[in-house]
Amino acid sequence: GAVVSQHPSWVICKSGTSVKIECRSLDFQATTMFWYRQFPKQSLMLMATSNEGSKATYEQGVEKDKFLINHASLTLSTLTVTSAHPEDSSFYICSARVGGFNEQFFGPGTRLTVL
Amino acid sequence: GQNIDQPTEMTATEGAIVQINCTYQTSGFNGLFWYQQHAGEAPTFLSYNVLDGLEEKGRFSSFLSRSKGYSYLLLKELQMKDSASYLCAVKDQGGKLIFGQGTELSVKP
Repeated sequence: GAVVSQHPSWVICKSGTSVKIECRSLDFQATTMFWYRQFPKQSLMLMATSNEGSKATYEQGVEKDKFLINHASLTLSTLTVTSAHPEDSSFYICSARVGGFNEQFFGPGTRLTVL
Repeated sequence: GQNIDQPTEMTATEGAIVQINCTYQTSGFNGLFWYQQHAGEAPTFLSYNVLDGLEEKGRFSSFLSRSKGYSYLLLKELQMKDSASYLCAVKDQGGKLIFGQGTELSVKP
């Protein structure tokens, strides 16, 4: 099946710093990538949808200036958490989809801990 | 609004059968997915239903009734490795996946 990678798998940073998370589709071209956040014991919450070459669409309540998303190519999307705070500590998961296909392929996730 | 309900946790015995229910109310419906997620890992795809009825795939089956806004995931011949969180997700009219809170399944010997 299709493979999606994320880097880094975990990161610890100080409050106020910025963290970049990469999401790559390894063996297919992803026209659409999704970014989710998952807090402990909770389900996945969609943060934003990004289509290659265009601006991301953010869900209600997600600050676009804090969570910068760039989808520069059909195989790479990045999420930058700017001026991270402890409440941003979470499990961030990306997924990728090809064209009109239903299935989304999930990356392994990135655990962010902000001290 | 969007609402997907599933039980928070369930316990079952190795070798048994367990059914995890999911009810949904969403703005539009373009299919229902079931995912398995082990702690600290990303979800993995189990099944997809868009028409009413039962879809069987090995030990796992998934059922959908669109008129009732209801689905279930059936796991047979339970194994210890099936202990995980099971997520029900509906694809809405905008193409987004709306996830339920997940059902934590514990399989005991």
